Amino acid sequence: DQQVKQNSPSLSVQEGRISILNCDYTNSMFDYFLWYKKYPAEGPTFLISISSIKDKNEDGRFTVFLNKSAKHLSLHIVPSQPGDSAVYFCAASEGDKVIFGPGTSLSVIP
Amino acid sequence: SAVISQKPSRDICQRGTSLTIQCQVDSQVTMMFWYRQQPGQSLTLIATANQGSEATYESGFVIDKFPISRPNLTFSTLTVSNMSPEDSSIYLCSSYLAGGYNEQFFGPGTRLTVL
Repeated sequence: DQQVKQNSPSLSVQEGRISILNCDYTNSMFDYFLWYKKYPAEGPTFLISISSIKDKNEDGRFTVFLNKSAKHLSLHIVPSQPGDSAVYFCAASEGDKVIFGPGTSLSVIP
Repeated sequence: SAVISQKPSRDICQRGTSLTIQCQVDSQVTMMFWYRQQPGQSLTLIATANQGSEATYESGFVIDKFPISRPNLTFSTLTVSNMSPEDSSIYLCSSYLAGGYNEQFFGPGTRLTVL
């Protein structure tokens, strides 16, 4: 039973447009949410996070939105760049346990 | 952040053999984690390796199959024992710096293929 879901396995976006990656979770006890980016043959790298007490966190081109009532979060990348092409993992934590979603492969087309 | 290296980066092994994966961090860290990413799947935590104590294994993973060592604050090994093709995965180690628990940094992974 997946506690963190990313229902879109892949996404293609034109360069310069907005990329929106979605994530849903089932455990209301999760208190921290993160996004990781992974290039082929590399380990995931931390991108941005949000505490459960907030509904938005912004860092440059990346913004994460959290809707606790819907148990949903999203990552917005604007403007999208070809270098953003990677697999994006949503993750959620409760205490000392981090659960990862299955990932969404983003392709930014020049 | 800190830098994590893993050895080997990839290997092809025969069924029934064992492989030990090494993980080195360039800083002293309290906790190190071992994950598995099976083809097309997400990252699944195998165990948490604490220096000076036994590793803590997640449900579905046992010490006999995945023995872990943690001899000091910068190094850990994971052994995949008596391998079968189902063990073909990417194995990743990770850790975090003090005060940044949730923001783990990962090694590059070890791609294991079992024939």
